[in-house]
Amino acid sequence: GAVVSQHPSWVICKSGTSVKIECRSLDFQATTMFWYRQFPKQSLMLMATSNEGSKATYEQGVEKDKFLINHASLTLSTLTVTSAHPEDSSFYICSVEGAVTSNYGYTFGSGTRLTVV
Amino acid sequence: SQQGEEDPQALSIQEGENATMNCSYKTSINNLQWYRQNSGRGLVHLILIRSNEREKHSGRLRVTLDTSKKSSSLLITASRAADTASYFCATDANDYKLSFGAGTTVTVRA
Repeated sequence: GAVVSQHPSWVICKSGTSVKIECRSLDFQATTMFWYRQFPKQSLMLMATSNEGSKATYEQGVEKDKFLINHASLTLSTLTVTSAHPEDSSFYICSVEGAVTSNYGYTFGSGTRLTVV
Repeated sequence: SQQGEEDPQALSIQEGENATMNCSYKTSINNLQWYRQNSGRGLVHLILIRSNEREKHSGRLRVTLDTSKKSSSLLITASRAADTASYFCATDANDYKLSFGAGTTVTVRA
């Protein structure tokens, strides 16, 4: 399966500032990556599908102007939380689609804990 | 969107015992996957079962799928302390987007 690196692992920022989270596919050319958000003791909710070279596809209820996604290369997708507020504090995780034809699931990054103060 | 429901929400067992958790979903699927998440970490893929499969094994893991009931189960045999984690089922409806269940938190007591 793919190896995915996500950075930073955790970040604390002031309310109103922007934070960028990187997701790198280290050994797999990922035309598609996915961004999830997870609140404490809850499940993962898909935020958006990141497509290399084109606009991201956002799930219903996710503000595309607030959560900017850039997928400029086959190995890097970034999620920028703009004008962050305390309610944006969450665990953000990216994933890369694995080789489902070979029974590999999706490979996830280690996640980024965002705390907005 | 979240389409899976898992039960139990939490499970506490003694080391060496088996742990069983169930997942139900609502729509037709291409495959169903199980993941493990240790506290504050990313998800680790455990096993994938396709819609035309009924049972699958991987080491101490056994997964069943009943598409007529839209349900799946994950059995962990001979549990170890290291199995303490949250377990999530996720369905793939052939659009490459995963929908996750609510998760089962498993605690294995030494």
